[in-house]
Amino acid sequence: AQTVTQSQPEMSVQEAETVTLSCTYDTSESDYYLFWYKQPPSRQMILVIRQEAYKQQNATENRFSVNFQKAAKSFSLKISDSQLGDAAMYFCAYRTYSGAGSYQLTFGKGTKLSVIP
Amino acid sequence: NAGVTQTPKFRVLKTGQSMTLLCAQDMNHEYMYWYRQDPGMGLRLIHYSVGEGTTAKGEVPDGYNVSRLKKQNFLLGLESAAPSQTSVYFCASTPMGEWPYEQYFGPGTRLTVT
Repeated sequence: AQTVTQSQPEMSVQEAETVTLSCTYDTSESDYYLFWYKQPPSRQMILVIRQEAYKQQNATENRFSVNFQKAAKSFSLKISDSQLGDAAMYFCAYRTYSGAGSYQLTFGKGTKLSVIP
Repeated sequence: NAGVTQTPKFRVLKTGQSMTLLCAQDMNHEYMYWYRQDPGMGLRLIHYSVGEGTTAKGEVPDGYNVSRLKKQNFLLGLESAAPSQTSVYFCASTPMGEWPYEQYFGPGTRLTVT
C-alpha cells in the first residue's frame, strides 16, 4: 500500500519569505499523480498544485511550486513571497487506484504552516 | 452551482445513538468519497462509491455504512455511535476519467460523540 509521509508537523515563515514543505511517499507504481492541498481554519480543502509523475518538469502555480524527485520519491512544496493568507494546514496526497476505474487519495498527516507578520 | 454540500455542519451525539450524514453534489460526478479527519492523522478514507447503487470500503470502514441511491447523493450512516467516531467528516467527489483528477471537497461535518 502506498504511504505518504510529511515529516514536519509544524513550520513557520516570515511574511514575504520562502518556505519549503517536505513530502515523501512510497510506491511501486511508475505512473501516478501527486497533489498538495491547503486547509485554512475554515476547514475547506483547497487544491494548491498537482504533479504528474511522468512529467519531469516541476509544476508551478503562481507563488507555489514543487520540487519533484521521482527517484527519491520526494514531492516538496515551495511557497514564495509568503502571505498571511498562506497560513494553513498543508496536506500532501498521492492518487491511488482503488478499483472499478476509480481512484482515491492517500494523504499525509499534514504540516501546519504559520506566517509571521 | 453549489459544488459539494454536507448536512449537518455540526452534530453532538450520545454513545449508542444513530445518525446519517448527507453529502450532495451538483456537478454530475460519478465518484464520491467519505473521509474522516482526526488530529495528527490527516484524512483517511472511510467508504467510496464509483456510481449510483455501488459502494466500497476504504481504509477505515468499521462502524459506518453508506448508500448511494441517487447519483448526486452519498449518505454516511453511524448505526451506534462511539466516542472513537468523534471526528471531522469530509465528503468529496470527482468526475470519471477527467484530468486533473481533482477531488472536490465539501465543507466538512464536525461530529462529537459523548
